[in-house]
Amino acid sequence: DVKVTQSSRYLVKRTGEKVFLECVQDMDHENMFWYRQDPGLGLRLIYFSYDVKMKEKGDIPEGYSVSREKKERFSLILESASTNQTSMYLCASSLTGESADTQYFGPGTRLTVL
Amino acid sequence: AQKVTQAQTEISVVEKEDVTLDCVYETRDTTYYLFWYKQPPSGELVFLIRRNSFDEQNEISGRYSWNFQKSTSSFNFTITASQVVDSAVYFCALSVDYNTNAGKSTFGDGTTLTVKP
Repeated sequence: DVKVTQSSRYLVKRTGEKVFLECVQDMDHENMFWYRQDPGLGLRLIYFSYDVKMKEKGDIPEGYSVSREKKERFSLILESASTNQTSMYLCASSLTGESADTQYFGPGTRLTVL
Repeated sequence: AQKVTQAQTEISVVEKEDVTLDCVYETRDTTYYLFWYKQPPSGELVFLIRRNSFDEQNEISGRYSWNFQKSTSSFNFTITASQVVDSAVYFCALSVDYNTNAGKSTFGDGTTLTVKP
């Protein structure tokens, strides 16, 4: 079974802090994704990566950056956290970039920015 | 651009009732894939089903069934004899087949299903 893990289930940070959210998958998947989930807004794609060191902006990249130095690890970085970035963050991976591919999700990180 | 609409924000039923979750999609592509995912209270989205645009056969898996109709651009999900464990947020998603897609999916806003004992 594919396993996607996220470094924290709950995180509390202060405004202005630099925040790192880590995601690791163990099935050699090429694609990895970061979403945020807010009530009434569904899942919104922040960034995705289709290969090591490659990244593409999603629908809401402002205020975020990402890093993929190794195939299994995809990090989301909030350079200067703000209260409007309080949200549930979900990481996902898929085998390739084919549209038929199922995405496998991690358990999510609930981030609160005070 | 792609769009997925799940018009039902919240549904509440009593155990053993049947319930249908609606999903309407928009795309100009002729090749696409539709997905349903379940997000239980634990938070992790779990894949339920995938259909491609060329396969309109309905599918049944235990108490779950899916009705795909291209004529109405819908991919509805029915749970028969619902159980408390079915309580979750359900997401419908669409993925289209073009080079820059890189496997991205467009998700609906989700439907929160509550099954009461």
